[in-house]
Amino acid sequence: GAVVSQHPSRVICKSGTSVKIECRSLDFQATTMFWYRQFPKQSLMLMATSNEGSKATYEQGVEKDKFLINHASLTLSTLTVTSAHPEDSSFYICSASLYEQYFGPGTRLTVT
Amino acid sequence: AQKITQTQPGMFVQEKEAVTLDCTYDTSDQSYGLFWYKQPSSGEMIFLIYQGSYDEQNATEGRYSLNFQKARKSANLVISASQLGDSAMYFCAMREASNSGAGSYQLTFGKGTKLSVIP
Repeated sequence: GAVVSQHPSRVICKSGTSVKIECRSLDFQATTMFWYRQFPKQSLMLMATSNEGSKATYEQGVEKDKFLINHASLTLSTLTVTSAHPEDSSFYICSASLYEQYFGPGTRLTVT
Repeated sequence: AQKITQTQPGMFVQEKEAVTLDCTYDTSDQSYGLFWYKQPSSGEMIFLIYQGSYDEQNATEGRYSLNFQKARKSANLVISASQLGDSAMYFCAMREASNSGAGSYQLTFGKGTKLSVIP
């Protein structure tokens, strides 16, 4: 149980375009989902916490207008990277929480 | 100050030997949780073991055990009988009360230790 999926697993996009990443809890309802970013050889950094039906809480230094988070249902949260630039290239991981956090497999974004 | 400190960027261990990965933490909360995750090159975060701050006994899960020393604020991971498949990044993380107000808890991660198992 407690399976979290992410889609896509890899995406390459051109600079200036937007990319949407989906995070789904497959067999449970998650009141809270977390989005992390991980640069190569670095740790996971929390970007934002999203609760179903309310606005996400962003960590300091994360631009909320650039990283749009929508948590429309108890099983789905989306992260949209708007006007992506090469410096946004990273590994994005979501987690879904009942009480513990269960991680998705991650999405590797490359912006060319 | 860092909340989670992993002082070993990289570690090597001979296959079938035991290895200890260090983790120290900093918190003023009385109630907290400590986690270890394994991240292979594929990127997925694999949960290994959990220790609650009120747990009196050290957590164990198969070949993994957590050496919890509360007074020293350390939560070292011990992997016994290392296998080649144990080669990966290992992250220590701490759960404290979230500022999201939703009753869920944020995790703060250490910088990780890259473990390489030598045949």
